Amino acid sequence: EVQLVESGGGLVQPGGSLRLSCAASGFTFSSSWMNWVRQAPGKGLEWVANINLDGRDEYYGDSVKGRFNISRDNADNLLFLQMMSVRVEDTAVYYCARGRYGVFDYWGQGTLVTVSS
Amino acid sequence: EIVLTQSPGTLSLSPGERATLSCRASQSVSGNLAWYQQKPGQVPRLLIYAASSRATGIPDRFSGSGSGTDFTLTINRLEPEDFAVYYCQQYGNSPKTFGQGTKVEIK
Repeated sequence: EVQLVESGGGLVQPGGSLRLSCAASGFTFSSSWMNWVRQAPGKGLEWVANINLDGRDEYYGDSVKGRFNISRDNADNLLFLQMMSVRVEDTAVYYCARGRYGVFDYWGQGTLVTVSS
Repeated sequence: EIVLTQSPGTLSLSPGERATLSCRASQSVSGNLAWYQQKPGQVPRLLIYAASSRATGIPDRFSGSGSGTDFTLTINRLEPEDFAVYYCQQYGNSPKTFGQGTKVEIK
């Protein structure tokens, strides 16, 4: 059974940093593109970033480019999102999602990030 | 960035009726379009990919159609568990983008 479990969310002040993690199991992690997708409270879905199989290629949405960094550890089946210079508008539930030919076929339960002073 | 516009914003229907949801892209995405269902407090679930292919375990009352810029998700004979928000997503161009969602509510 595919499982994706996010952690690391919480309250952070504007301008601060936070690191999210996603532990994957039940599939061959190193053979899957991985994504972060977020959802602001009461709002729709927004793709944040993704990373290729070996972690050498990363892609970002315009709203987080230059502030967030996605990475992965294939030895331990972990996906990360380093969030820096966070803004109030980054407040959202952050989902880890497996990518398959561009779609998101499995999602974690999400971790809530709240940016507030 | 490709903008996806979903209509209507809200669809009020009764169980047993047919739901027809629309997703229009600002430029062609070919057949690279997916649909997701999200129930309150739950994680999004992939329903349809490649415009018309059902994901694993999705009932056949869900069907997708379209190509280029105009797509449709049809839900035949609505079941009580189908009342939810539905999002389309394109993956033909980077960045991947979502529509704003259509809420299917009980009339």
